Amino acid sequence: SYELTQPPSVSVSPGQTARITCSGDALPKQYAYWYQQKPGQAPVLVIYKDSERPSGIPERFSGSSSGTTVTLTISGVQAEDEADYYCQSADSSGLGVVFGGGTKLTVL
Amino acid sequence: EVQLVESGGGLVQPGGSLRLSCAASGFTFSSYWMSWVRQAPGKGLEWVANIKQDGSEKYYVDSVKGRFTISRDNAKNSLYLQMNSLRAEDTAVYYCATLLGVPPGGFDYWGQGTLVTVSS
Repeated sequence: SYELTQPPSVSVSPGQTARITCSGDALPKQYAYWYQQKPGQAPVLVIYKDSERPSGIPERFSGSSSGTTVTLTISGVQAEDEADYYCQSADSSGLGVVFGGGTKLTVL
Repeated sequence: EVQLVESGGGLVQPGGSLRLSCAASGFTFSSYWMSWVRQAPGKGLEWVANIKQDGSEKYYVDSVKGRFTISRDNAKNSLYLQMNSLRAEDTAVYYCATLLGVPPGGFDYWGQGTLVTVSS
């Protein structure tokens, strides 16, 4: 079955830039979405269609795509950005959904 | 303000059934594809099912096909998930969510979730 691959963890110091990658063979043909999830809370959409930012999401969150890899970039990381981040795209049928395994972002 | 409120979770024995509900408000429910997404304790997110605005199209993850049924009642602004033949691996928090655009899409609004525990 089709999978999206994320690093299990990323660590950065406050003020630095965090980059979280997500790899999948179909990503050149399908949009990617990114979610932030803090403990005990529902996920929040932070990036849609590879690089669009929903209203209310800080400008320090951005998304990009290159070949089979999409990247979530958080510039000037703040302590409040510590969370799990999940990428999401289409499954092999193109109609269902697949999530990456998630990346825990730790702000040192 | 968009609100999605799930209910119906609880403890059920393996092989049993449960029906989850999601009450929607703050947006035109009948204009949106809707979805269920679940998260097993300490694990990642897993998409479960999508349903079109008029209920005419439904898509499921392979692991629930033939056991779960997604449905909706636009007059009541409600989404449902009928879960039959439940297994221990179905234990999870179940979220309802609005689908951004059309499938596969992304999920722009989420409820707070309802916990389903399958155990004897």
